[in-house]
Amino acid sequence: KNQVEQSPQSLIILEGKNCTLQCNYTVSPFSNLRWYKQDTGRGPVSLTIMTFSENTKSNGRYTATLDADTKQSSLHITASQLSDSASYICVVKGVNFGNEKLTFGTGTRLTIIP
Amino acid sequence: DAGVTQSPTHLIKTRGQQVTLRCSPKSGHDTVSWYQQALGQGPQFIFQYYEEEERQRGNFPDRFSGHQFPNYSSELNVNALLLGDSALYLCASSFRSGRLQETQYFGPGTRLLVL
Repeated sequence: KNQVEQSPQSLIILEGKNCTLQCNYTVSPFSNLRWYKQDTGRGPVSLTIMTFSENTKSNGRYTATLDADTKQSSLHITASQLSDSASYICVVKGVNFGNEKLTFGTGTRLTIIP
Repeated sequence: DAGVTQSPTHLIKTRGQQVTLRCSPKSGHDTVSWYQQALGQGPQFIFQYYEEEERQRGNFPDRFSGHQFPNYSSELNVNALLLGDSALYLCASSFRSGRLQETQYFGPGTRLLVL
């Protein structure tokens, strides 16, 4: 069964500190992996997308890594800001008989405190 | 350029009622997917519409149905509402190039509360 597991479930850090969120997946065949940021009560917004051949991608203070061999990804946030408080969702796209399917993780709830 | 829009933003219904949620895709997009997101959970795929037909479906009962119009907008209908249908319903649009689906852009969601 295709699964995407994220850890930790929730995280609280001080403003200005760095943090790393983890995503492990079993989706196969693998097409791409995307990190989304979702503010409370809002729709998810894409932060990064990584394909099989990419192992690092940055978007401002967000840096995602991918190890397709171990099926692990991480999202590193540098110099956190209060506006980074949100849920971060890892989404893996798989391809099965020509049909693409997205598998969502349950997210990591990040809270930045001043 | 408007992004994905959804209406209404919030809705309260009672058990047994029926509800219709609406979604307008981002300009240039032709594919609409619907997701249900319970509190504290990740989005769960309901179904996807392309060329006015349901192309893929997740593990949701027939009470959940949809429609796509010629202008690519879409509706999600839920019949015989249950308390467990309370959730944030997200619409995502994308452009389908052949068999491949490009990046999905999400709308703000409709918060449905069933009492």
